[in-house]
Amino acid sequence: NAGVTQTPKFRVLKTGQSMTLLCAQDMNHEYMYWYRQDPGMGLRLIHYSVGEGTTAKGEVPDGYNVSRLKKQNFLLGLESAAPSQTSVYFCASSYRRSSYEQYFGPGTRLTVT
Amino acid sequence: RKEVEQDPGPFNVPEGATVAFNCTYSNSASQSFFWYRQDCRKEPKLLMSVYSSGNEDGRFTAQLNRASQYISLLIRDSKLSDSATYLCVVNGNTGFQKLVFGTGTRLLVSP
Repeated sequence: NAGVTQTPKFRVLKTGQSMTLLCAQDMNHEYMYWYRQDPGMGLRLIHYSVGEGTTAKGEVPDGYNVSRLKKQNFLLGLESAAPSQTSVYFCASSYRRSSYEQYFGPGTRLTVT
Repeated sequence: RKEVEQDPGPFNVPEGATVAFNCTYSNSASQSFFWYRQDCRKEPKLLMSVYSSGNEDGRFTAQLNRASQYISLLIRDSKLSDSATYLCVVNGNTGFQKLVFGTGTRLLVSP
């Protein structure tokens, strides 16, 4: 079992560029989440999904889009990157019945210059 | 005011010491409480849930005080491997279980 994997691990973008972060889980979890973690801010929920084909906004969704076409994958897109999106991005997944126990991926460190 | 507040630390303790962290939360409707652990430059992992009556898992004891809206984590007989950041986490909603994470308390255990 790989658990939750994220690609890429690191990325540097220029302002205005776009990119997609990929999250995959092999635990058959129903729920998946994207968070960002910034110094002094804690983890903040960007978007989440309660099932294949469904997504919803979290606390800080502006500037991001997501898709969940397959149960095991959750993609996070940045259409036009901004320096304020420099952060560490974590994907997580959980069972519906125990959504408090979230399994996190190793994170993607994104720098936007 | 932040929904979940923690002392960022760091707490520097020698091996074998007992150390306690507190966390306060602002939403009195919160129903579920947890401690996650995050090692440096790694992902967070669930350490333990916090039950109203208090609960223990080995060297770790978690307690909840609903009246004062705070949660505590006590670590006995600290090990070097306990060095990490401890995140206080609260279930913010009664509907979809959105977790609200504190910014964490950093613990450094030295030989």
